[in-house]
Amino acid sequence: DQQVKQNSPSLSVQEGRISILNCDYTNSMFDYFLWYKKYPAEGPTFLISISSIKDKNEDGRFTVFLNKSAKHLSLHIVPSQPGDSAVYFCAANEGTGTASKLTFGTGTRLQVTL
Amino acid sequence: KAGVTQTPRYLIKTRGQQVTLSCSPISGHRSVSWYQQTPGQGLQFLFEYFSETQRNKGNFPGRFSGRQFSNSRSEMNVSTLELGDSALYLCASSLEQGAPGYTFGSGTRLTVV
Repeated sequence: DQQVKQNSPSLSVQEGRISILNCDYTNSMFDYFLWYKKYPAEGPTFLISISSIKDKNEDGRFTVFLNKSAKHLSLHIVPSQPGDSAVYFCAANEGTGTASKLTFGTGTRLQVTL
Repeated sequence: KAGVTQTPRYLIKTRGQQVTLSCSPISGHRSVSWYQQTPGQGLQFLFEYFSETQRNKGNFPGRFSGRQFSNSRSEMNVSTLELGDSALYLCASSLEQGAPGYTFGSGTRLTVV
């Protein structure tokens, strides 16, 4: 049972445009959400996170939005750059500070084209 | 500051054999977690160690085990390897147990033939 779902396996966006990556979850106990970026032959790199007490968190070109009622979060990248081409994983944590076991989605491959 | 170091990077083993993977966390990090990444399954949590004790465990069979040493280095062992164990095994470290936003290593690519 996939508790964190990334229903789009791939996404192609033109350079300079907005990339929107989506993630849905089913476990209402999740209260902390993270996005990781992964290049081939490297481990995932932490990108941005959001606590369930917030609905938006921004860091430079990256913004994460959380809609708790819909159990949905999204990552916006504006403007998209070729170096953003990677696989993006959404992850969720239950009980921040008491457990660090993350549940990951299956990833979305973002391709930013020139 | 050195990152999370995993050795070896690549490994080929035969069905039925056992394998040990090693992870050295970032200096000062005391929590080490292991994940398995396979195509279509994403990253799946194996276990977490903190202060030489397993604190969390995922839904993997008992063939998967691990340990952590006093210097926070961790090893993961898989016994009686199966073809389905072929995967990228990722280790991640964090300062304290329960601190999200790990730093991941580059992983060990295990192929079982």
